[in-house]
Amino acid sequence: AQSVAQPEDQVNVAEGNPLTVKCTYSVSGNPYLFWYVQYPNRGLQFLLKYITGDNLVKGSYGFEAEFNKSQTSFHLKKPSALVSDSALYFCAVRAYGGSQGNLIFGKGTKLSVKP
Amino acid sequence: SQTIHQWPATLVQPVGSPLSLECTVEGTSNPNLYWYRQAAGRGLQLLFYSVGIGQISSEVPQNLSASRPQDRQFILSSKKLLLSDSGFYLCAWETGTAGYGQYFGPGTRLTVT
Repeated sequence: AQSVAQPEDQVNVAEGNPLTVKCTYSVSGNPYLFWYVQYPNRGLQFLLKYITGDNLVKGSYGFEAEFNKSQTSFHLKKPSALVSDSALYFCAVRAYGGSQGNLIFGKGTKLSVKP
Repeated sequence: SQTIHQWPATLVQPVGSPLSLECTVEGTSNPNLYWYRQAAGRGLQLLFYSVGIGQISSEVPQNLSASRPQDRQFILSSKKLLLSDSGFYLCAWETGTAGYGQYFGPGTRLTVT
């Protein structure tokens, strides 16, 4: 069975510091991996995805994520956090070749960036 | 470019009343469509998905139903709302390619009183 874990309910970072939001996954076979961001009372916005190729994926708003197959992780990172990055972040996974409808989302991590 | 719409944006309904939420997608054909519910601003619960007109798969048995009367229209309904139906309802679309990713609408905040 596929699963995604976001081990931290909340991450607190000072503005200007680097941030990391963690995600680990479990699938049979190769994964498609995604990160989404949600601002209050808004829909989820796509940030970035890993399909194949380079393990370091760059996305919107200066975010990037590194795919680590041996650790089954896909952590979201940003070198310098902004207060405006404060939001809820979701990691999602689908097995390569998996049937439609089974994009599995993590429970979300609330990122709080303080000035 | 593709656009996804949901309405209404907010809705307050009494227990026992009917529900109809609508989602439409522009700029693409034959999308896969999804309804999710989000409680308390956290995890997503997949409710229904559809790979074509009239084709609906239900993920969780509940008080809700879904229909897809047109290629780019997805409707979430209930005959009688329960208090537990309150939440933030999100519609999403994707192409038939598994690695494309899902794209979400702005959501509908439903409060059942």
